[in-house]
Amino acid sequence: QSVLTQPPSASGTPGQRVTISCSGSNTNIGYYYVSWYQQFPGAAPKLLMFRNNQRPSGVPDRFSGSKSGTSASLAISGLRSEDEAEYFCAAWDSSLTGFVFGTGTTVSV
Amino acid sequence: EVQLVESGGGMVQPGGSLRVTCAASEFTFSNFAMSWVRQAPGKGLEWVSSISGTGDYTYYADSVKGRFTISRDNSKNTLYLQMNSLTVEDTAIYSCAKAVFRGWYGGNFLDSWGQGTLVAVSS
Repeated sequence: QSVLTQPPSASGTPGQRVTISCSGSNTNIGYYYVSWYQQFPGAAPKLLMFRNNQRPSGVPDRFSGSKSGTSASLAISGLRSEDEAEYFCAAWDSSLTGFVFGTGTTVSV
Repeated sequence: EVQLVESGGGMVQPGGSLRVTCAASEFTFSNFAMSWVRQAPGKGLEWVSSISGTGDYTYYADSVKGRFTISRDNSKNTLYLQMNSLTVEDTAIYSCAKAVFRGWYGGNFLDSWGQGTLVAVSS
């Protein structure tokens, strides 16, 4: 079950900036790195951001990540129609010896 | 490009068993820890289990501990999840995912996922 809280939806017009929040606790985000994933319907999740703000090769720099305390956020600038997808955050949790995931945010353009 | 293909899902009655499989390719399988993650219909993602690259260490979510067993065959580049004593709450899409380190510890993260296989537990 998801332990990290995200808003269920976010939207913007092409070219705008959208920010998605991810709220956790001291056992997860407060102590460990956050990663972000993008998922299209019927497809496997794709790693979008790791170690809070590091982009894998091939991910446009329109995507940026940050973390402060027990919260993290993903920003999408210069929003495009192809950014319409579900986004979810993840972090290691010391109480689980495993990952916890965000509730997911559907981005509409 | 990393390839992860799950199989073995299906419908099973409560109390039954099922084994799902993940075939991995295009990377050195034994060098990386692997995980199973599930998503129930209309619910969020849930980490289920992980195994170190050597297979010596396994980890489970409390919700499946004692019922599920993760294993791997590095000679076949294959990951397994044996699921016993299944309940309706186990109904979900089960996906395998590759970690970035051989060991399973904080700081690790999942960098590649499969599309998943559906396990439906129903009478």
